[in-house]
Amino acid sequence: EPEVTQTPSHQVTQMGQEVILRCVPISNHLYFYWYRQILGQKVEFLVSFYNNEISEKSEIFDDQFSVERPDGSNFTLKIRSTKLEDSAMYFCASSEQGADTEAFFGQGTRLTVV
Amino acid sequence: KNQVEQSPQSLIILEGKNCTLQCNYTVSPFSNLRWYKQDTGRGPVSLTIMTFSENTKSNGRYTATLDADTKQSSLHITASQLSDSASYICVVSSYSNDYKLSFGAGTTVTVRA
Repeated sequence: EPEVTQTPSHQVTQMGQEVILRCVPISNHLYFYWYRQILGQKVEFLVSFYNNEISEKSEIFDDQFSVERPDGSNFTLKIRSTKLEDSAMYFCASSEQGADTEAFFGQGTRLTVV
Repeated sequence: KNQVEQSPQSLIILEGKNCTLQCNYTVSPFSNLRWYKQDTGRGPVSLTIMTFSENTKSNGRYTATLDADTKQSSLHITASQLSDSASYICVVSSYSNDYKLSFGAGTTVTVRA
């Protein structure tokens, strides 16, 4: 069964460093998303991506964040200068169409900023 | 502001028993409502997705209901198993935010032998 895969599963980084979280969405999906979940809190929307550009982003997704689809399969989230409060689980998701269709989530990357 | 409220926050049930989780939402205009199961440290996995015209939908031992008039949904777990221990998240999508979903905080279910 096709699935969304994320790497790495766990990333530890020092404050101020740049990190890149990687995702491989399901191959025939057209819409891609990043969400984060701070420990013990609800899942929060970060950004959606369609047709090689950002469709929508939340207030969390500030200038420190960027997304890219460098090739036909990968979808990345970059955090330029990490802060302690960026520590969270980051989930990538993809859907065949937009929000009306089912979104499939990856297993997540646990980012720990020290 | 689009909001999704879930209750209870957590519950403990004995293996084999049934339970019902509640979800109230203020998301408008409504597109669909989903229930996800999230195991600790894992990504959410879809259980059901319901549109405006659907009142009930089942996926094995999971049955979701939707009342679009009162903006309420429930998820019923029948004959619970230890593997049902997880967080159950209600998620609502809106046409006005085509590419964003509104998440509830989840209900943590613990099934004990």
